[in-house]
Amino acid sequence: SQTIHQWPATLVQPVGSPLSLECTVEGTSNPNLYWYRQAAGRGLQLLFYSVGIGQISSEVPQNLSASRPQDRQFILSSKKLLLSDSGFYLCAWTGPVDEQFFGPGTRLTVL
Amino acid sequence: QKEVEQNSGPLSVPEGAIASLNCTYSDRGSQSFFWYRQYSGKSPELIMSIYSNGDKEDGRFTAQLNKASQYVSLLIRDSQPSDSATYLCAVGSGSARQLTFGSGTQLTVLP
Repeated sequence: SQTIHQWPATLVQPVGSPLSLECTVEGTSNPNLYWYRQAAGRGLQLLFYSVGIGQISSEVPQNLSASRPQDRQFILSSKKLLLSDSGFYLCAWTGPVDEQFFGPGTRLTVL
Repeated sequence: QKEVEQNSGPLSVPEGAIASLNCTYSDRGSQSFFWYRQYSGKSPELIMSIYSNGDKEDGRFTAQLNKASQYVSLLIRDSQPSDSATYLCAVGSGSARQLTFGSGTQLTVLP
């Protein structure tokens, strides 16, 4: 069966510090992968998606970036965090009929 | 700009009642429709998917889709306190099978 991992689970970072969040998927090959952010009390905002190794599409302008160095690995990064980057970051992969399955998420607080 | 609108709630129903959650979407080219349940502090969990007009039943859950009206709904029969959560409507479209999420409806089932 397929499993999606995200780490760390929680993170507290100062403004201006770098960020690296990692997502890995097991039990499937060549999945579409997605990064979302959920601000407190809000819906999910799609940040990036990837249909294959090295292929990244950005949905919204921001100071974040994403990379897919391996088939089942998706990384979200920032060189300098802003207060507005705080939120719940979710990685997801697409099943056979367009449904998406989410990882456990990383809760990021920028102080 | 693809939009998905949900009643923000909160919606409260007594235990054993039917909870009705509604969602409208703007992109007529949308092909797939999903309902996710999100408990506080947790990642979204897929509970229903629907792809063609009409009703789809799964246990206590029934999803209804009307593409002409661009409307999706979720009925929860015999609501239980454990159904208390935020319900997210998601609509799929695009070559990378992206989902656009609504902001969610918070449901409380009162014992």
